[in-house]
Amino acid sequence: GAVVSQHPSRVICKSGTSVKIECRSLDFQATTMFWYRQFPKKSLMLMATSNEGSKATYEQGVEKDKFLINHASLTLSTLTVTSAHPEDSSFYICSARDSSGNPNSPLHFGNGTRLTVT
Amino acid sequence: AQSVAQPEDQVNVAEGNPLTVKCTYSVSGNPYLFWYVQYPNRGLQFLLKYITGDNLVKGSYGFEAEFNKSQTSFHLKKPSALVSDSALYFCAVRPPSGSSASKIIFGSGTRLSIRP
Repeated sequence: GAVVSQHPSRVICKSGTSVKIECRSLDFQATTMFWYRQFPKKSLMLMATSNEGSKATYEQGVEKDKFLINHASLTLSTLTVTSAHPEDSSFYICSARDSSGNPNSPLHFGNGTRLTVT
Repeated sequence: AQSVAQPEDQVNVAEGNPLTVKCTYSVSGNPYLFWYVQYPNRGLQFLLKYITGDNLVKGSYGFEAEFNKSQTSFHLKKPSALVSDSALYFCAVRPPSGSSASKIIFGSGTRLSIRP
């Protein structure tokens, strides 16, 4: 089945540094990938839609200069949390849908990245 | 505005008993509905979906869901719960636009706990 690989699974960084999270579709092409943030009370918040070869579309309230998204190829999207602060600590999840398939096919999710900013 | 509601934060069921996790939606037009499951520190896994056709949809791990248009509901069910079913369950809806870039709206999640 379709696999989405997300790396790293856990990262601890110091306040003020930047962290890059990678999301790869391993056996399919994805012109669109989605980045979510999951809060401790479990709700899943869509942060942005990553579009291959163009700018990401950010949801209202998400700072695009804070959360930089790059989708340089059909199989890779990256999320960079810039100048991280403790309040950015969270579980970040990416997802993708096979672009060549049915648009109603389900999303495939990465295993998430636990970011802790100290 | 399009939305998905999961009214229960937590559902507790004894192993072997039937379980139901509730979901209602508000979407203009005919929605595409999904259920996903999340195990601790993992991403979401697809369980089942309703696009069109039979209102009763069968999915992975013995789960099924019933689409009820009049009640705008898509409750997840399983006839006999297993302890291994304990996880976080998300209902999701995708507005019918036909585009693969259309975003999916997730409910707030329901934690299912199955006691032995």
